[in-house]
Amino acid sequence: DAKTTQPTSMDCAEGRAANLPCNHSTISGNEYVYWYRQIHSQGPQYIIHGLKNNETNEMASLIITEDRKSSTLILPHATLRDTAVYYCIVRALSSNDYKLSFGAGTTVTVRA
Amino acid sequence: NAGVTQTPKFRVLKTGQSMTLLCAQDMNHEYMYWYRQDPGMGLRLIHYSVGEGTTAKGEVPDGYNVSRLKKQNFLLGLESAAPSQTSVYFCASSKGQGIRFNQPQHFGDGTRLSIL
Repeated sequence: DAKTTQPTSMDCAEGRAANLPCNHSTISGNEYVYWYRQIHSQGPQYIIHGLKNNETNEMASLIITEDRKSSTLILPHATLRDTAVYYCIVRALSSNDYKLSFGAGTTVTVRA
Repeated sequence: NAGVTQTPKFRVLKTGQSMTLLCAQDMNHEYMYWYRQDPGMGLRLIHYSVGEGTTAKGEVPDGYNVSRLKKQNFLLGLESAAPSQTSVYFCASSKGQGIRFNQPQHFGDGTRLSIL
């Protein structure tokens, strides 16, 4: 699976959009971009995933650049409960790698 | 809409004691996983299962056993607990798709286990 690079930390104002970048310059054509987050003292939570088209669900939007070498997770209206560590992961469609590998992620702090 | 439920949430054991952690999912998922999370180590996969009656070793299986007698349940056992097994244990599940593991994994809230 391709390696990803994320900023170590970022702050966001409550009620504003939070834009979380992720670089995955070595991504292959069959690899999806996944986002998870882990709120303190809770289990990791799946947010969204996509291949090349932009995706949106009730939690967030995922914007993938045309060359697929980077992506941005957008939390449209951040709340204090969105404070968490956010992980960007790249996995192949045909992956037989059973384990989910989280990197260091981005620690997002939403401030009132 | 429970998702993945882990019991117990907290437990303290003495070295050498045994216990079983229970994971239950109500999403009819084929695949289930047990991870442990330690500070600075990220998530490490202990065992996983691709269906009822099947289990397989992950990255760090030593000292643990698992069973998947029912599709919705995945049990993690510690036969003789050791201080090195002090950790937060997470169970997860995902839809099966052949032998593909690309479906999103859904996690429980963890069991915090301390071995004295």
